[in-house]
Amino acid sequence: KEVEQDPGPFNVPEGATVAFNCTYSDRGSQSFFWYRQYSGKSPELIMFIYSNGDKEDGRFTAQLNRASQYISLLIRDSKLSDSATYLCVVNTGGSYIPTFGRGTSLIVHP
Amino acid sequence: GAGVSQSPSNKVTEKGKDVELRCDPISGHTALYWYRQSLGQGLEFLIYFQGNSAPDKSGLPSDRFSAERTGGSVSTLTIQRTQQEDSAVYLCASSQVIGGNEQFFGPGTRLTVL
Repeated sequence: KEVEQDPGPFNVPEGATVAFNCTYSDRGSQSFFWYRQYSGKSPELIMFIYSNGDKEDGRFTAQLNRASQYISLLIRDSKLSDSATYLCVVNTGGSYIPTFGRGTSLIVHP
Repeated sequence: GAGVSQSPSNKVTEKGKDVELRCDPISGHTALYWYRQSLGQGLEFLIYFQGNSAPDKSGLPSDRFSAERTGGSVSTLTIQRTQQEDSAVYLCASSQVIGGNEQFFGPGTRLTVL
């Protein structure tokens, strides 16, 4: 079971829109999560998505495409505080042990 | 309510010593996970507890590593005869499996083996 992410870094100005993609290998995967991890801190949950399509929460939109086996995270109106590593996490239906991607680094500059 | 807590926050030990790391999950969360994260690396799964079921130890890197969970709550991760390559941040997470598998992480224990 693999979860692949572009490590980046993505370097964007404040106010920009940025998107990260994540692909997964196990077609039986059921639930999908995005976590944010600031340097030296533990991961914190941003969003989860279980159904095909888009899910919006404030400035964040997660998209799941089961046919193509990818999920994405879109961040609108980027803020300096969005600078972090974004972890894609995938769960298969038969296991409660998630598979973590290695993360995508985002740097938002003034 | 209180989140996941871990202690100690930092631990420095000498090679060959044993260490114990503690995790207090969110009350009511039946699942508890231990992970390891080395500097600049991704999260490495170590062990998973679910209720009263036998734990999934498939991620433990060697028999020097063990963990227990008493009363379905607090968990202790023990590393015997520590080696320098054990130096990492050890993260604990809990989840309410029935409602979903969103995990909530503790602040971690930074272990340094000299």
